[in-house]
Amino acid sequence: DTGVSQDPRHKITKRGQNVTFRCDPISEHNRLYWYRQTLGQGPEFLTYFQNEAQLEKSRLLSDRFSAERPKGSFSTLEIQRTEQGDSAMYLCASSRQGGQTQYFGPGTRLLVL
Amino acid sequence: SQQGEEDPQALSIQEGENATMNCSYKTSINNLQWYRQNSGRGLVHLILIRSNEREKHSGRLRVTLDTSKKSSSLLITASRAADTASYFCATDERGYSTLTFGKGTMLLVSP
Repeated sequence: DTGVSQDPRHKITKRGQNVTFRCDPISEHNRLYWYRQTLGQGPEFLTYFQNEAQLEKSRLLSDRFSAERPKGSFSTLEIQRTEQGDSAMYLCASSRQGGQTQYFGPGTRLLVL
Repeated sequence: SQQGEEDPQALSIQEGENATMNCSYKTSINNLQWYRQNSGRGLVHLILIRSNEREKHSGRLRVTLDTSKKSSSLLITASRAADTASYFCATDERGYSTLTFGKGTMLLVSP
């Protein structure tokens, strides 16, 4: 148990619907990361926060994706107008500032029908 | 985009044998890490090796790093069925806080 929790663990939705995922990092970690992993691939970086500030976004993060971390604690990742290509595992990780190890949550598996 | 690649893509061994996985990457790095992922689960951190280190041990794990060849290897000795998982190397490029992962090696250890 790494201490990072994600909710829900699984989500099935129809194309065009909006979905929102939540990540609760390890409490003393001020950095939070989102990754996406498709079948047979390694995780790919989406975005990361230091406290409430979103410091970096990947070009993978299209306009339909938005992430927030309003109070510097939990974070949400919203996908609007989902497409079948959004089907993937969405992983959240956290770390201390300056810490080199990221601790991952169990992931949210999204299936878009 | 993926930073590098693990080799082999899949490895099948018997319990008690050693498993060696290799990772290549493309850019200058601060450190390289290895993670394990059981099927459909999150990633578990195994070991970190800094760019100025050449070898590191942790229990049954041995990691080497050759920055001149931009490659690393992970050796698991005396493997167990519970070691069955996918193994990923991840690098953080100099100046960046995020990790770039390879495609992983799927290890199957049979009893």
